[in-house]
Amino acid sequence: GQNIDQPTEMTATEGAIVQINCTYQTSGFNGLFWYQQHAGEAPTFLSYNVLDGLEEKGRFSSFLSRSKGYSYLLLKELQMKDSASYLCAVRGTRNDYKLSFGAGTTVTVRA
Amino acid sequence: DAGVIQSPRHEVTEMGQEVTLRCKPISGHNSLFWYRQTMMRGLELLIYFNNNVPIDDSGMPEDRFSAKMPNASFSTLKIQPSEPRDSAVYFCASSLETGGADTQYFGPGTRLTVL
Repeated sequence: GQNIDQPTEMTATEGAIVQINCTYQTSGFNGLFWYQQHAGEAPTFLSYNVLDGLEEKGRFSSFLSRSKGYSYLLLKELQMKDSASYLCAVRGTRNDYKLSFGAGTTVTVRA
Repeated sequence: DAGVIQSPRHEVTEMGQEVTLRCKPISGHNSLFWYRQTMMRGLELLIYFNNNVPIDDSGMPEDRFSAKMPNASFSTLKIQPSEPRDSAVYFCASSLETGGADTQYFGPGTRLTVL
């Protein structure tokens, strides 16, 4: 089975940095995805990690440690539009295309 | 390019009625996924297809739910009979799966309310 944990809520100030942690215990591992979901909208892809280390993409970065079953999403220079739910998702094996999603972390950015 | 298309966007029905949700995946994608999202249970995979063939339907709640993919450009999720606990947002997603960094692209969702 898959067990994916992330905090329920986080609040931060505009311009600040927020780090969203995700821990997972899965039967097999072939990549970790982060998705962003604004209220009332569909999830949209943010990042993908399959090897250990940091992947940077503009204001967003994602880190993975496979030995620890741990990832984080780092949001820098927060903007009001970053207020959304952030979903961590794990793919189990190379030939199994399904993703198991965490419950999501709701980030609220305050002025 | 058009993204994943779902219809209807909203559906309100009464308990016991049949509900059919429709999805058109992104052209060229070989995999299609049906998800259900609720506040209580989050985003759950119901079933997914690869090359129009159902691969994993272990998330389908019960026999009331069925899904088909008659061709590469169309899929349906049917609930018969519907119950109030089926109320949720149903998302369809598609991807070009090669076993690597294969992003799933989500449709806008169908918000289903069963009274």
